[in-house]
Amino acid sequence: SQQGEEDPQALSIQEGENATMNCSYKTSINNLQWYRQNSGRGLVHLILIRSNEREKHSGRLRVTLDTSKKSSSLLITASRAADTASYFCATDTPRSNTGKLIFGQGTTLQVKP
Amino acid sequence: SQTIHQWPATLVQPVGSPLSLECTVEGTSNPNLYWYRQAAGRGLQLLFYSVGIGQISSEVPQNLSASRPQDRQFILSSKKLLLSDSGFYLCASRRESATYEAFFGQGTRLTVV
Repeated sequence: SQQGEEDPQALSIQEGENATMNCSYKTSINNLQWYRQNSGRGLVHLILIRSNEREKHSGRLRVTLDTSKKSSSLLITASRAADTASYFCATDTPRSNTGKLIFGQGTTLQVKP
Repeated sequence: SQTIHQWPATLVQPVGSPLSLECTVEGTSNPNLYWYRQAAGRGLQLLFYSVGIGQISSEVPQNLSASRPQDRQFILSSKKLLLSDSGFYLCASRRESATYEAFFGQGTRLTVV
């Protein structure tokens, strides 16, 4: 079953603007990760935030996590045309040695030059 | 970091034909391995995972099977393909600890005709 649900499903912005994507999940988690997928390609890991963290930065990426609301957001600042891709959140569950990641449906981001 | 080799990149197969997709991993040992399927414009559905040689767990009932004959080799198979098996198949690898990210292959686009 799909754990994470991203919102919005699609987002179109101009280059230089900020893009915000949200993810909600249903059960308790060890951590939450964000991945990027260029069209027709594999996924690439962007950032991981642990369940005891509230905010994390990596370059132009900012991730927040609210475990009380079971939600996370990914902010891409000063977007570029090269940021055009689909973005997925993924969670895994505590007390599991399988490392299974459950992905949401993704947000498709288009950045217009 | 890990490198995931997945082939072929594209495949067109007739209904009823067999399938074998192979995935090999470099840069780590004893990884957890995963097969995901992605429908067009959708999220990733976990099909199989493996925590060791010969250990396969299926997440959803289906026409497919998986095997792990070697530590860093993961194979997805079918004896007789169905139209509904069409999709984008992704192999992923993750170190055992849940603090690590997953690494993905570039995917195989399978079209069953």
